[in-house]
Amino acid sequence: KAGVTQTPRYLIKTRGQQVTLSCSPISGHRSVSWYQQTPGQGLQFLFEYFSETQRNKGNFPGRFSGRQFSNSRSEMNVSTLELGDSALYLCASRNLGRHGYTFGSGTRLTVV
Amino acid sequence: DQQVKQNSPSLSVQEGRISILNCDYTNSMFDYFLWYKKYPAEGPTFLISISSIKDKNEDGRFTVFLNKSAKHLSLHIVPSQPGDSAVYFCAARTIMNRDDKIIFGKGTRLHILP
Repeated sequence: KAGVTQTPRYLIKTRGQQVTLSCSPISGHRSVSWYQQTPGQGLQFLFEYFSETQRNKGNFPGRFSGRQFSNSRSEMNVSTLELGDSALYLCASRNLGRHGYTFGSGTRLTVV
Repeated sequence: DQQVKQNSPSLSVQEGRISILNCDYTNSMFDYFLWYKKYPAEGPTFLISISSIKDKNEDGRFTVFLNKSAKHLSLHIVPSQPGDSAVYFCAARTIMNRDDKIIFGKGTRLHILP
């Protein structure tokens, strides 16, 4: 079955702009989580969605938001971009209650 | 508060020798521990896991050891191969208020030397 698909793979934005990233989970997986990866901080949890509802949220400012659609696809949005938002954004899906995530290849966001 | 800690940012090991990656945790409520491997420009891939009721799990060249009293786990790779060069993330699952959450460490970059 198809894996987790993230689009776009690469993005360059300027400070102050906003960006929307997309994630399509593995078919049948209803839980979608988002992580930010930066060189010094590893994988930092942003939020998790299940059945269109946010289940968990990490310690990120309100500029970071997300949503999930009825087909389990998810989007995350970052408004008023800052240079420090440059990172690899990873989406992961799983069946709730199962411990293993399947990750997408990520979206590399560069803010200039 | 970092609940899952990988204190070594990087590790270099000779090809053919044993690689040992370490991970410490603080939350005694973690019930499952996982290791993920990540190549550049790719998402992490699941490698191996261990339940908190076990102390060892083996899968081919990979073995994970869990020492609950020390709140420590380690991943052993033997023998190490060039393709093992990657970043390895330790992760742990906790269930609180019927919500489960998976927490990752910051990762250890493993270099396998020829």
